[in-house]
Amino acid sequence: QSALTQPASVSGSPGQSITISCTGTSSDVGSYNLVSWYQHHPGKAPKLMIYEVTKRPSGVSIRFSGSKSGNTASLTISGLQAEDEADYYCCSFAGSNIHYVFGSGTKVTVL
Amino acid sequence: EVQLVESGGGLVQPGGSLRLSCAASGFIFNSYKFHWVRQAPGKGLEWVSYIDFSGAEIYYADSVKGRFTISRDSAKNSLYLQMNSLRAEDTAVYFCARESANYYDFDYWGQGTLVTVSS
Repeated sequence: QSALTQPASVSGSPGQSITISCTGTSSDVGSYNLVSWYQHHPGKAPKLMIYEVTKRPSGVSIRFSGSKSGNTASLTISGLQAEDEADYYCCSFAGSNIHYVFGSGTKVTVL
Repeated sequence: EVQLVESGGGLVQPGGSLRLSCAASGFIFNSYKFHWVRQAPGKGLEWVSYIDFSGAEIYYADSVKGRFTISRDSAKNSLYLQMNSLRAEDTAVYFCARESANYYDFDYWGQGTLVTVSS
């Protein structure tokens, strides 16, 4: 099972909006509304930012939003802030054989 | 406060074994399912293994099937990963992660423990 495809890096200036794509297949992203997104500052514990494609856990800023179309899910960060600089990973449930597949990861840089 | 703290990582020779532990606190351990996820140096996250509430349902990634064993001990509020026949490609930071009450996502993670397989 190949990793979901994400851009290696995305950058933006403070206050701008950026979108990170996550492309899978009809066997994972396309089949299940079970895509989640994680923020990871290296050396720290990853943090759940979005679950079930669009839902935001309690405590996560409303600046983070998720969507999905076909085999591609997306994470949008609005009003970019310095603290958003981190690695971001998508993850999709992929059925009872593969179980879970993660994205390749995207490094977000705030210029 | 929910806490997951991994331990047991280290340097091991190819073919060797290591047992990782994940100590959980701040919530009712028996009410949650758990996973192990790893990150090789410079690489992305990779799902490794899953265990349900009681240990009755267990799954592994193909890359570790037959070599790794996941388990849990409710008396110690701990999750384990027994890793045998280790290979260089198992070198990674290993994270334990709690599956959320919504299922199919991971709402809390530990900071990870580094496993290095090298001669």
